[in-house]
Formats: sequence, structure tokens, C-alpha cells
Amino acid sequence: GQNIDQPTEMTATEGAIVQINCTYQTSGFNGLFWYQQHAGEAPTFLSYNVLDGLEEKGRFSSFLSRSKGYSYLLLKELQMKDSASYLCAVQDSNYQLIWGAGTKLIIKP
Amino acid sequence: GAVVSQHPSRVICKSGTSVKIECRSLDFQATTMFWYRQFPKQSLMLMATSNEGSKATYEQGVEKDKFLINHASLTLSTLTVTSAHPEDSSFYICSARDPTVSYNEQFFGPGTRLTVL
Repeated sequence: GQNIDQPTEMTATEGAIVQINCTYQTSGFNGLFWYQQHAGEAPTFLSYNVLDGLEEKGRFSSFLSRSKGYSYLLLKELQMKDSASYLCAVQDSNYQLIWGAGTKLIIKP
Repeated sequence: GAVVSQHPSRVICKSGTSVKIECRSLDFQATTMFWYRQFPKQSLMLMATSNEGSKATYEQGVEKDKFLINHASLTLSTLTVTSAHPEDSSFYICSARDPTVSYNEQFFGPGTRLTVL
């Protein structure tokens, strides 16, 4: 079956760095997405990885290892507004998104 | 970036009534749109994939006669929840795929919160 695993909840301090991991097992792979979702709102796109390696975009970076079925989202210089759920989603061989349950990130002052 | 609108943002209805939710791609033509449902503290659950001009493809366990999807144009898809019941109360989100974006990114609408009394 298809499966995406990510931690349910993480807590970090304002100004610090946090890494949110995602492991996946899917039928085929056509890229991995990270989305941010604030409570009561729709997800917003953060990053896309299809090749191994690190993609950096401002304070956010995303890493992919296809051989390990593993990705992480790295958030630097955390701000209170980064408190949200972070969703990992893999695009399978049919280009359908398989979603993880999301990681709720709590930022403390 | 591509913009997707959704209307209404909130709706409260009585049990047994039908509710229509609209999803529009504002600045691109979306050949494929997706409808999701999200319960509190849970992830997105794909309900159906909607292709312009053809019947929607429903996920296992989603009743096609209850959740009617119409994708009549390249910029509009509608979801009608028929004979709504309290258990249909949820956050409904649509997304649209921009075919001009190389990696098939889905752009999400702001969501519709449905409450059935």
C-alpha cells in the first residue's frame, strides 16, 4: 500500500531551527511537495523536490533522498507565524498526490 | 502565481438540503481539478478528480450520487453535497492543476467550511 509518515507534532523556539521529516512508500514517484497549512485555511505551496538533494528557498529548505524514500523540511530563524501544520505529499505514478497526516509545529517565544 | 477561488467560504444549512460549492481558476485554464475533504486535526482526503468535459473519478468510499461534481468549463468545477447530514460537516477544499507548470503543482482554493445542523 501507499504510505506517508511524518511526526504528528513538534515544538521549537522562536529564532531556532527545526527539521520535519517525511518518509514515504508509494507506487511510483513523480516528485514530493511540502505545503504549509494554517488552521482553518487551505494549504500553501512551500517546495517541490524530484531529484535528490537540497532545495533552498529563503528560510525554508527541502531535502530529498529517493533511494531512502525520505525527505525533510528545514525551517531556519523560526518566527511565531511559522506555527502551522506542514504537509508532505508525494506524487505517484498516476500523478496523484498522496498526503501525509501533517506535522503540527508549535513555536514558543 | 496561479489563483484559485472558492465560494462560499462558509455555509450553514439544515439537514436534508443540498449545498453547491464553486471552484474557479482565475488566471489559468485547469484541465484537472480536485476536491478534498478535511476533518479537524486530520490530513486532506481526496474525494474525486474532476476533468473538464468528462465524468469525475471518485475515490473509494465516496458516494458519487451524494457528492455531485460538474466540471463544465476549463475554469469552473462545482461540488454539490446532496441531502446533507451533520456527518457531512467538514472543510471542503478544491485544487486545480495548471498544465503550464512543469511539475504538476496543485493550486488550492481557500476552502469552504460546511456546517450541517
